[in-house]
Amino acid sequence: GAGVSQSPSNKVTEKGKDVELRCDPISGHTALYWYRQSLGQGLEFLIYFQGNSAPDKSGLPSDRFSAERTGGSVSTLTIQRTQQEDSAVYLCASSPRAGGREGEQFFGPGTRLTVL
Amino acid sequence: AQSVTQPDIHITVSEGASLELRCNYSYGATPYLFWYVQSPGQGLQLLLKYFSGDTLVQGIKGFEAEFKRSQSSFNLRKPSVHWSDAAEYFCAARGGTYKYIFGTGTRLKVLA
Repeated sequence: GAGVSQSPSNKVTEKGKDVELRCDPISGHTALYWYRQSLGQGLEFLIYFQGNSAPDKSGLPSDRFSAERTGGSVSTLTIQRTQQEDSAVYLCASSPRAGGREGEQFFGPGTRLTVL
Repeated sequence: AQSVTQPDIHITVSEGASLELRCNYSYGATPYLFWYVQSPGQGLQLLLKYFSGDTLVQGIKGFEAEFKRSQSSFNLRKPSVHWSDAAEYFCAARGGTYKYIFGTGTRLKVLA
């Protein structure tokens, strides 16, 4: 079956512009995560969605970052007024359920964002 | 604070040699533990996971990991490395909830 897909695969933007990154999770997966991977760093948790529950936004680095998940499926991560330090790979992962032994994450290929 | 540490940023081994990648965790209780591999331009793929029970866990691609509670470690091993194993490897931990903590990764280079 289809895995997690992300688009675009690469995005180059100018400082100050807004960008939208898209994630299509595996069908039926109720949990969805966004991570940021900066050069030489591990994965930094950004936001977590679980079904219709309120998302955990505790990892968003500033109010320029926001995310939504429509209909419990597709998710969009939006970065407003991009800065050069936003340059990173943004990874999305989905999971059949949150927590427990079945909480395995399946990752998409990521979107590489470059802010000039 | 909860953390996962991978002390080696880069490791180079010759093809056919054995491999051990180190991972230490700091958690209030024993977390679930994971190893992922990331090939260039790809997302992360799960190699193996530890929940409880047998402390030696077998994974895909010939990898295994050993959980040692006394050392708070979960080291990844492979008896004989193949050139295709060159990638970045991430150790991760999760408590009883949904939030994962990842190490900073170890980049493996394999010499022919």
